[in-house]
Formats: sequence, structure tokens, C-alpha cells
Amino acid sequence: QKEVEQNSGPLSVPEGAIASLNCTYSDRGSQSFFWYRQYSGKSPELIMFIYSNGDKEDGRFTAQLNKASQYVSLLIRDSQPSDSATYLCAVRSGGSYIPTFGRGTSLIVHP
Amino acid sequence: DAGITQSPRYKITETGRQVTLMCHQTWSHSYMFWYRQDLGHGLRLIYYSAAADITDKGEVPDGYVVSRSKTENFPLTLESATRSQTSVYFCASSNTGGSTEAFFGQGTRLTVV
Repeated sequence: QKEVEQNSGPLSVPEGAIASLNCTYSDRGSQSFFWYRQYSGKSPELIMFIYSNGDKEDGRFTAQLNKASQYVSLLIRDSQPSDSATYLCAVRSGGSYIPTFGRGTSLIVHP
Repeated sequence: DAGITQSPRYKITETGRQVTLMCHQTWSHSYMFWYRQDLGHGLRLIYYSAAADITDKGEVPDGYVVSRSKTENFPLTLESATRSQTSVYFCASSNTGGSTEAFFGQGTRLTVV
């Protein structure tokens, strides 16, 4: 069974700090990796996707992928209270269009 | 409006009743999914569909039925609702080209009493 693991948190960081969220996955055939943000009572929304090893940056967000170690991470620079949410990692295997989600990490950014 | 919409947003039903949750998308995405989200379990896949008239079970399909006669609609039916089916249900869709991320509807909060 394909598994995606995340620390449930909460991860608490001060405003302006870097928040680091991690995700590991079990299927070595995984090819697509997604980070979603979910505010309380809302639906998940995509923040970033990454397919290749290395870093991908988009504004204050950086996704990092290491396929050899089977982990993907999300860095949020200059964290803001509005970043407080649950962050879901999703993984899709090659040849499949079905994403498998981790349980999410709760992030709290305090002023 | 373009996007993916779910209805109703909130539903209270009694144990044993049949209830149908609706999902409609305007992108003509091939894939559609139903997830339930519960504290401590995250998003769990109930059913998915690769195209009209093609559906398959996910991780937790028992007690649910789906159909997809048209590409844009993917209703989820609870045949005889149980309290354990109290949850938030999300419908999602994705394409098979481009970035292939899943787009989510607003969710339906279902309470079975």
C-alpha cells in the first residue's frame, strides 16, 4: 500500500521565520509531488507541484524533492500569520492519476 | 461559473436514509474523485472515475455508490447512511495532461444522526 507520511504537528514558528514541512513516501515509482494548503473549514488548494529532484521556488515557497531518500519538503520563508493552516502533501505514482495524500501538518505562525 | 462545485454544502440526515452528494465540474477533466476527511485520518479516497462510465473503488468504498453518466457530473450516494459516515466529503477533478494536480470542490459537511 502506498503511504505518504507527515508529522501532524502542530509546527509553531514566529512571524518572519522559515517554516519547514516534511513528507516521506513509500512508493519508489512516485513521479509527481504536490503541496496543498487547507485553511480550517475550507477545501485544499494547490500551492506547488514538483516533478524533478532539487528545488523549485515560487515566491516565499520552495519545494524540495529528493527521490533517492523518498522525501519532499516545503519551505515557507518570512512566515506570516496568514500562513497558519494545515499543509497536505500528495504523491502520484507514474502511470496513475490518483493522488495519495498525507494526513497533513498543522502550521501555526504566531506574531 | 467555471470550476468544481458540490451540493449541498451542509446536510443532516437520519441513520438508514439514502443521501446523494452532487459534484459538477466545468473543465471537462477526465478524472474525478471522492474523498472523505476525518480528524486523524486525513483525506481518504472513496471512489474515483477515469472517464464517463468508468469508476473504481478507492480505499474506503463500503456503503457508497457512484455513477458517472456524463463527464461533468460525479454523484456519490450513501445507500443507507450510518453514523460512521459523518464526515466532510470532498469532490476533486484532475486532467491527464499538464500539471495534473487535483482541484477540489468546497466540500459537503454531512452529519448522520
